[in-house]
Amino acid sequence: EDKVVQSPLSLVVHEGDTVTLNCSYEVTNFRSLLWYKQEKKAPTFLFMLTSSGIEKKSGRLSSILDKKELFSILNITATQTGDSAVYLCAVEIQGAQKLVFGQGTRLTINP
Amino acid sequence: DAMVIQNPRYQVTQFGKPVTLSCSQTLNHNVMYWYQQKSSQAPKLLFHYYDKDFNNEADTPDNFQSRRPNTSFCFLDIRSPGLGDAAMYLCATSRDGRRRAYFGPGTRLTVT
Repeated sequence: EDKVVQSPLSLVVHEGDTVTLNCSYEVTNFRSLLWYKQEKKAPTFLFMLTSSGIEKKSGRLSSILDKKELFSILNITATQTGDSAVYLCAVEIQGAQKLVFGQGTRLTINP
Repeated sequence: DAMVIQNPRYQVTQFGKPVTLSCSQTLNHNVMYWYQQKSSQAPKLLFHYYDKDFNNEADTPDNFQSRRPNTSFCFLDIRSPGLGDAAMYLCATSRDGRRRAYFGPGTRLTVT
């Protein structure tokens, strides 16, 4: 059974801190890994990763994939209260046209 | 510019009373998905359409059905909603099932 596991499930930090969110996966036929940010609405896309070792960066957010060890991390530096959200990791299954989601990490940034 | 639109945004239905949620898209994507997301849980795929081909997940209850009359529209029918069906229902689209999925804003279903 295809499985995506995120850790931690919940994280509370102070504004300005740096956080690292983890996503590990066990799937039959990996195609890509995606990170989404979900506030009180539908998920919004952050990154898509297909190759190991290539960092994707967008402002204070960055992500990298390790296809050998089957995990990805999402880093957020200099966190702001607006970063508070649930961060979802999803793996795209080759040939199945679907995403398998992890449980999400609920990130809370306190001022 | 709205790309994936879901109506209604909030739906209240009674136990056992059929309900239909709708999704439309302006992206001309050929794949449309329905996800169920319960509180504090990951979105769970119910089914998807690849063009006109319907693909049901093995653990999706028979109570849930879907229709896709054309490329732009897709409906989720819940024949006899139970209290456990209260959730956010997310519609998403993608091109050929590859690349990222675009999500609609979701419909929050309450069952009384």
